[in-house]
Amino acid sequence: GQNIDQPTEMTATEGAIVQINCTYQTSGFNGLFWYQQHAGEAPTFLSYNVLDGLEEKGRFSSFLSRSKGYSYLLLKELQMKDSASYLCAVSNAGNNRKLIWGLGTSLAVNP
Amino acid sequence: DAGVIQSPRHEVTEMGQEVTLRCKPISGHNSLFWYRQTMMRGLELLIYFNNNVPIDDSGMPEDRFSAKMPNASFSTLKIQPSEPRDSAVYFCASSPGTSVVGELFFGEGSRLTVL
Repeated sequence: GQNIDQPTEMTATEGAIVQINCTYQTSGFNGLFWYQQHAGEAPTFLSYNVLDGLEEKGRFSSFLSRSKGYSYLLLKELQMKDSASYLCAVSNAGNNRKLIWGLGTSLAVNP
Repeated sequence: DAGVIQSPRHEVTEMGQEVTLRCKPISGHNSLFWYRQTMMRGLELLIYFNNNVPIDDSGMPEDRFSAKMPNASFSTLKIQPSEPRDSAVYFCASSPGTSVVGELFFGEGSRLTVL
């Protein structure tokens, strides 16, 4: 079957660093995505990894290891506004625009 | 630029009634997706269109659900008859053909409650 696992909840302190992990098992792989979703709002695109390694974008970085079926999202210098759900999603076929989604990790940033 | 526009934002209806959700994608985007989100199941793809043509509707739960895209700027998702288990947030998303696979632009969602 196809499965994406990520922790349900995490808490962290303002100014700190937090790492949100995602493991996946899919029949194919054409990229891994991270989205951010604030409560009651729409998901918004954060990052895309298709090759192994780290992609950095400001305070956010995303890492991928295809051999391990593993990714993480790293958030630095946490701010209160980073409190949100973080969704991991995998595209498992080349021309197919279907994504397989994790249930999301709810991150609470405390002062 | 305007984002993806969905209506209504909230809908409360009684079991058995017909529900129609509407979506206007971002101009120039040629792919449109309908998703359903619940706490238990997360985001589920119901159907997606490419250039107004339905490509994959394998996620549509059953015959009570139908979706149309009569032109590049409008799509509807219809549930008839509605049931309490259909209660969820329904998102429409669009994607330009030139973007990386999976980069989706979501609307604000339609929160459906079926009593």
